[in-house]
Amino acid sequence: DAGVTQSPTHLIKTRGQQVTLRCSPKSGHDTVSWYQQALGQGPQFIFQYYEEEERQRGNFPDRFSGHQFPNYSSELNVNALLLGDSALYLCASSSLRTGKREQYFGPGTRLTVT
Amino acid sequence: GDSVTQMEGPVTLSEEACLTINCTYTATGYPSLFWYVQYPGEGLQLLLKATKADDKGSNKGFEATYRKETTSFHLEKGSVQVSDSAVYFCAFFLGSARQLTFGSGTQLTVLP
Repeated sequence: DAGVTQSPTHLIKTRGQQVTLRCSPKSGHDTVSWYQQALGQGPQFIFQYYEEEERQRGNFPDRFSGHQFPNYSSELNVNALLLGDSALYLCASSSLRTGKREQYFGPGTRLTVT
Repeated sequence: GDSVTQMEGPVTLSEEACLTINCTYTATGYPSLFWYVQYPGEGLQLLLKATKADDKGSNKGFEATYRKETTSFHLEKGSVQVSDSAVYFCAFFLGSARQLTFGSGTQLTVLP
């Protein structure tokens, strides 16, 4: 049973650039949530996708956007990168359709902005 | 606002010592509570959960009891191992909210 997978593992970008991170949910899950984890901090909720729509959004600017595909996988896009966007980006999947809201996390993508 | 307060770390213990990591929450309602563990260089793993008052979650020798009267969900283990060295996060869902709210994490180091 494949767990949540994310790509790439690491990424280095320059200020002002754009980045796309990818996530495939755990088998049987239909919902993907994205979190940002700064060094030494707990994860902060960015947004959640279900049925290819953004269902809830945390306190993040519009530079952060996402997408969910028919196969439930998801992308996180960040435009106009800032140094402060350097963090571990975590994807979590769950199954809203079956009412199982506990979230299972992937290994994360480490983004460094220079 | 809704929040989680965790015991500050780092915590350093000798192997076979007892562990308690304190977690209290502030929420307008009755959340579902979780403990996640993050090993070095990895993502978060769900360790245990409790969805209503007086529920006890348990896994891999770890336990936590949902105490509504004290709004707490303290993580305990009777005898820690070197392999338990990690960062532990307390978190909750509130009502129909779709997001987990996390504490800031507690770094645990277990020495042989």
